Amino acid sequence: QQQVKQSPQSLIVQKGGISIINCAYENTAFDYFPWYQQFPGKGPALLIAIRPDVSEKKEGRFTISFNKSAKQFSLHIMDSQPGDSATYFCAASKEYGNKLVFGAGTILRVKS
Amino acid sequence: DVKVTQSSRYLVKRTGEKVFLECVQDMDHENMFWYRQDPGLGLRLIYFSYDVKMKEKGDIPEGYSVSREKKERFSLILESASTNQTSMYLCASSFGGGNEQFFGPGTRLTVL
Repeated sequence: QQQVKQSPQSLIVQKGGISIINCAYENTAFDYFPWYQQFPGKGPALLIAIRPDVSEKKEGRFTISFNKSAKQFSLHIMDSQPGDSATYFCAASKEYGNKLVFGAGTILRVKS
Repeated sequence: DVKVTQSSRYLVKRTGEKVFLECVQDMDHENMFWYRQDPGLGLRLIYFSYDVKMKEKGDIPEGYSVSREKKERFSLILESASTNQTSMYLCASSFGGGNEQFFGPGTRLTVL
């Protein structure tokens, strides 16, 4: 049973375009929602995270939008660049220091 | 910078062999995790540990065991490797009260 569902599986975006990756969760006890970025040959690294007390968080070209009532959150990458080509994972956890539940991942390719 | 190192980047073993995967972190983190990463399935938690000599099962512990004798080191053991354990194995660590997990580069294990 997948607690965090991520879509799409893969995404191709033109340079300068907007990349959008979506996630939906089932457990209303989740209160921390991070996105991880993984380049080939590397482990995932935290990109940006949000808690459910805000609906949006922006860091540079990366924005998380959070919809608590719909139990959905998404990652938007503005002005996508070839260097953004990577695998992106959404995740969720219940409380501080607890284990993360990951989505299946999205392979993003930004064409130059 | 937090550093999580894994003993091997690539490993090839035969069916039935006992396999040890080692992970070391240098930031005095309380929590350590072992995941396996498979295409289309994301990261799935095998085991985690909140303290020395403590371990808890994750979502897919069957066929695996772990050992944490020192705070900085967390070992994953495949008692009798099988071909369905061919995968990328990722180790991660985090502070006891924190959510961000720091990942190692991964070990790609092939079981023939």
